[in-house]
Amino acid sequence: DTAVSQTPKYLVTQMGNDKSIKCEQNLGHDTMYWYKQDSKKFLKIMFSYNNKELIINETVPNRFSPKSPDKAHLNLHINSLELGDSAVYFCASSPYRVNEQFFGPGTRLTVL
Amino acid sequence: AQKVTQAQTEISVVEKEDVTLDCVYETRDTTYYLFWYKQPPSGELVFLIRRNSFDEQNEISGRYSWNFQKSTSSFNFTITASQVVDSAVYFCALTLYNQGGKLIFGQGTELSVKP
Repeated sequence: DTAVSQTPKYLVTQMGNDKSIKCEQNLGHDTMYWYKQDSKKFLKIMFSYNNKELIINETVPNRFSPKSPDKAHLNLHINSLELGDSAVYFCASSPYRVNEQFFGPGTRLTVL
Repeated sequence: AQKVTQAQTEISVVEKEDVTLDCVYETRDTTYYLFWYKQPPSGELVFLIRRNSFDEQNEISGRYSWNFQKSTSSFNFTITASQVVDSAVYFCALTLYNQGGKLIFGQGTELSVKP
């Protein structure tokens, strides 16, 4: 049983396209997150949701829009993809905001 | 502002050596939480430990141990008798009580354990 799952695992697309990454957790956690890992492996938070409510929105371009249909799901939609969006995107969840976060396997996005 | 620094970008050791990964953090808050994560070559992020700012006790888990010292704002990680399977990138991270769970990561230390 996968605790935090993401689909797809790999995503290759052209500049200007719109794409979505889905995340689901079956841990019953209240809080979910999106992180971006760049080519130098630096990890940075993008968004956080607590019980479907947005609580963290870092300085992320408006082209990125998270959506949480319920507390077990947090999807990431990206409009007008740019070369600089190429990265690995990780979804994570935690029972409470200061608890350890459990990460999904990551989605490697490549924009050509 | 909060910050986590892992000054060692890469470390290479031979199997069975002990190795310490350094982590120095900066925050003015008195309530905070520190973490270590492991990212093996397969790419997933694996949680290793969480420590809150009120608990300075050192922790040992098998070959892994952690030394938390508030006086030097450090939370170092030692692997005893390293093994090839320990080869990975290790991240230290910090979050504050009132930051909604936002993890601030260090740059990571890539550990290579050679047979």
